[in-house]
Amino acid sequence: EPEVTQTPSHQVTQMGQEVILRCVPISNHLYFYWYRQILGQKVEFLVSFYNNEISEKSEIFDDQFSVERPDGSNFTLKIRSTKLEDSAMYFCASSERSGLAGYNEQFFGPGTRLTVL
Amino acid sequence: LAKTTQPISMDSYEGQEVNITCSHNNIATNDYITWYQQFPSQGPRFIIQGYKTKVTNEVASLFIPADRKSSTLSLPRVSLSDTAVYYCLVPNAGGTSYGKLTFGQGTILTVHP
Repeated sequence: EPEVTQTPSHQVTQMGQEVILRCVPISNHLYFYWYRQILGQKVEFLVSFYNNEISEKSEIFDDQFSVERPDGSNFTLKIRSTKLEDSAMYFCASSERSGLAGYNEQFFGPGTRLTVL
Repeated sequence: LAKTTQPISMDSYEGQEVNITCSHNNIATNDYITWYQQFPSQGPRFIIQGYKTKVTNEVASLFIPADRKSSTLSLPRVSLSDTAVYYCLVPNAGGTSYGKLTFGQGTILTVHP
């Protein structure tokens, strides 16, 4: 069964450093998402991406965040200057169709645990 | 965005049927009701989605009454491996949403031996 993969599984970084989290969505999917989950809290939407541009983003997704699909398979989330409060599990997801027609099945990856020291 | 309310936690025993009810009083006409499951340290996993009446798949059933102001996820004969957090989602449909999922706190289901 096809699945979303993410690397690394765990990333430790110093405050102020840049990190890039990588995801390989399911190959025939066209819609891509990043979510995060701070320990013990809700899963929070960050950004959605389609046709090489951001479709929607949350208030969390400020200028420190960016996303990119550098080639036909990878989808990356970059945090330019990490803060302590960026420590969380980051999930990538992909879907075959958009949510416009009520289609809400997204396939989530296993996550990258980001620890900012 | 339709707000959902579901129990914070539930306990069950292996082999029992578990029903988790979610209320969504201000669901919009075009909204679908979607349920996800999340195991510790894993990403959420889609379980089932429906619009009205009853939907069944190999994992669960979803019951939606005529007024659609609530829905019930039914898990038949649960096992220990069904211990997880279960989320009821009623995202925007149509409009400007491109699939953004808004998760609440979910229901922590604990299955005991």
